[in-house]
Amino acid sequence: EVQLVQSGGEVKMPGQSLRISCEASGYSFTTYWIGWARQRPGKGLEWMGINHVGDSESIYTPSFRGQVTFSADTSINTAFLQWRSLKASDTAIYYCTRGHNWNYDSFPQFWGQGTLVTVSS
Amino acid sequence: QSVLTQPPSASGTPGQTVLISCSGGSSNIGSHTVTWFQQLPGTAPKLLIYNDYQRPSGVPGRFSGSKSGTSASLAISGLQSEDEADYHCAAYDDSLNGWVFGGGTKLTVL
Repeated sequence: EVQLVQSGGEVKMPGQSLRISCEASGYSFTTYWIGWARQRPGKGLEWMGINHVGDSESIYTPSFRGQVTFSADTSINTAFLQWRSLKASDTAIYYCTRGHNWNYDSFPQFWGQGTLVTVSS
Repeated sequence: QSVLTQPPSASGTPGQTVLISCSGGSSNIGSHTVTWFQQLPGTAPKLLIYNDYQRPSGVPGRFSGSKSGTSASLAISGLQSEDEADYHCAAYDDSLNGWVFGGGTKLTVL
């Protein structure tokens, strides 16, 4: 059974850095891309981009390019989403996803439970 | 402002059929299949429909999807109270090289 388990909620101040995680199980971790999506409070979903954990290739959507960094540690089957300097507007729930198949444009079939990131002074 | 356009809300009484629309463009719905997600309050999105009309195992046949041109629809027949949730449409977008979503439709069962 494919499972994506994300790290717990975080409360940070503006300007701080942060890395959240997504631990995968139930499939060959390095074969698939891991995608990331944002959902601001009371709003819809926004696709941030996708990371191929096997070769570290990443595709960022324009709104998120330069704002976040995707990475992974294949030794622990875990993907990461990282910020260098958080802003209040980064307050949201962040979801990791895995596609139906190994293509980068495969629909996100599996979702983590979400990580709530709160940025406030 | 979401790339795909959905009505912010929809409602129906138990047993009724509800339709939720999703409008896009040539670079997304016009070129790729549509996916629908159900998001119950306080939970992560769950895959509901993929490839325009296909249902994953476990999704009741009351849920159906269709697409024509650059628009898609989700139909929920025999509405039940447990269907009260947010529904999101999505499609891959060639211009953005990533997935785009609608703003979500909040379904209320009266």
